[in-house]
Amino acid sequence: AQSVTQLDSQVPVFEEAPVELRCNYSSSVSVYLFWYVQYPNQGLQLLLKYLSGSTLVESINGFEAEFNKSQTSFHLRKPSVHISDTAEYFCAVSVRGYNKLIFGAGTRLAVHP
Amino acid sequence: GAGVSQSPSNKVTEKGKDVELRCDPISGHTALYWYRQSLGQGLEFLIYFQGNSAPDKSGLPSDRFSAERTGGSVSTLTIQRTQQEDSAVYLCASSFTQSSYEQYFGPGTRLTVT
Repeated sequence: AQSVTQLDSQVPVFEEAPVELRCNYSSSVSVYLFWYVQYPNQGLQLLLKYLSGSTLVESINGFEAEFNKSQTSFHLRKPSVHISDTAEYFCAVSVRGYNKLIFGAGTRLAVHP
Repeated sequence: GAGVSQSPSNKVTEKGKDVELRCDPISGHTALYWYRQSLGQGLEFLIYFQGNSAPDKSGLPSDRFSAERTGGSVSTLTIQRTQQEDSAVYLCASSFTQSSYEQYFGPGTRLTVT
């Protein structure tokens, strides 16, 4: 069975500071990895995904995540956050060949001025 | 184009009543998923449809939960004899095909069982 652990339930940070949201997964088979974002009172949106190839993936709004197979991690980073990045971030995996997503518990990122 | 839509957006029901939640996927998307988001359990997979068939129902928590999909489009999630622990946000997602790994989520239906 697969599982996802997001080590921080809440991350407070000041505007323009760097941030890292941690995600570790457990799986005996190959997985695809995802980060989803849920802004206040909105639905889940895909932020970025790792399917294969380069282990560093980037989003259009400055986030990046790196797949580390040896550490079974897929941490999300941004060098300088904005107030508008305040949201809940979910790490998820799916097993190759099966589409259901298995989510972590989520990390609430609160960006303060 | 239109995204995934769900109705109602909010539903309050009394314990023991049945409820139906509806999902309209993005036009042309053949795969459809139901998830549940609750405080105690986080985001959980419930059921997956490919066309009108449900090859994976492994996440349905009890036999009070059922779902169907008709015409390869609209899906209905039915909860019979609702219990307070069924209170959650029910999310629907769709993807273009079974092998498309990007799922598009709807806004959800917030179910409150009193």
